[in-house]
Amino acid sequence: GAGVSQSPSNKVTEKGKDVELRCDPISGHTALYWYRQRLGQGLEFLIYFQGNSAPDKSGLPSDRFSAERTGESVSTLTIQRTQQEDSAVYLCASPQDKTNYGYTFGSGTRLTVV
Amino acid sequence: DQQVKQNSPSLSVQEGRISILNCDYTNSMFDYFLWYKKYPAEGPTFLISISSIKDKNEDGRFTVFLNKSAKHLSLHIVPSQPGDSAVYFCAAGDMGTYKYIFGTGTRLKVLA
Repeated sequence: GAGVSQSPSNKVTEKGKDVELRCDPISGHTALYWYRQRLGQGLEFLIYFQGNSAPDKSGLPSDRFSAERTGESVSTLTIQRTQQEDSAVYLCASPQDKTNYGYTFGSGTRLTVV
Repeated sequence: DQQVKQNSPSLSVQEGRISILNCDYTNSMFDYFLWYKKYPAEGPTFLISISSIKDKNEDGRFTVFLNKSAKHLSLHIVPSQPGDSAVYFCAAGDMGTYKYIFGTGTRLKVLA
């Protein structure tokens, strides 16, 4: 697609449940990023996919977090046994064109763990 | 340990005046710096960027200044408009990997 799509836009889950967040990146972009923003915090890098290379998982906060991406298509971020501190807006991004080396972000998934 | 800091959580400016948003970073290896704007319930949108080989970049009402010796960058908006009211994030990192570290944001309110 022309932009980055994320679903769901909002998710409320009970503590201890697993959740899956989906990102549909800009068509043809080999790189994909996941960030999150907790209340009052900056955007926190989680994971980075680049083509068929091993993903950079250095930002994942715990082993309850995992992400997958098949080829250059959809990515899913999975959080197992959710905790209240996982509540955040989860943002997916594709690189913009080479003129500015920035990202195009999706509108995010607001996750609330109750 | 925050590598990118925006020390002012909020800023109010009168319409037509200049808005100056500041950002400090600690890692001298950063080679690319960006500003994003974020409205509620939307993802951040790219505003302006600058590479470490420059000290100024201008795009319309928006100018970014980079002071490498002070590890400081700033975003100037002039003249400020009510539609500029949003949260502004600065980001710094590696142009080669597009991997950036973001500040905590500054909420700008432009008063009509």
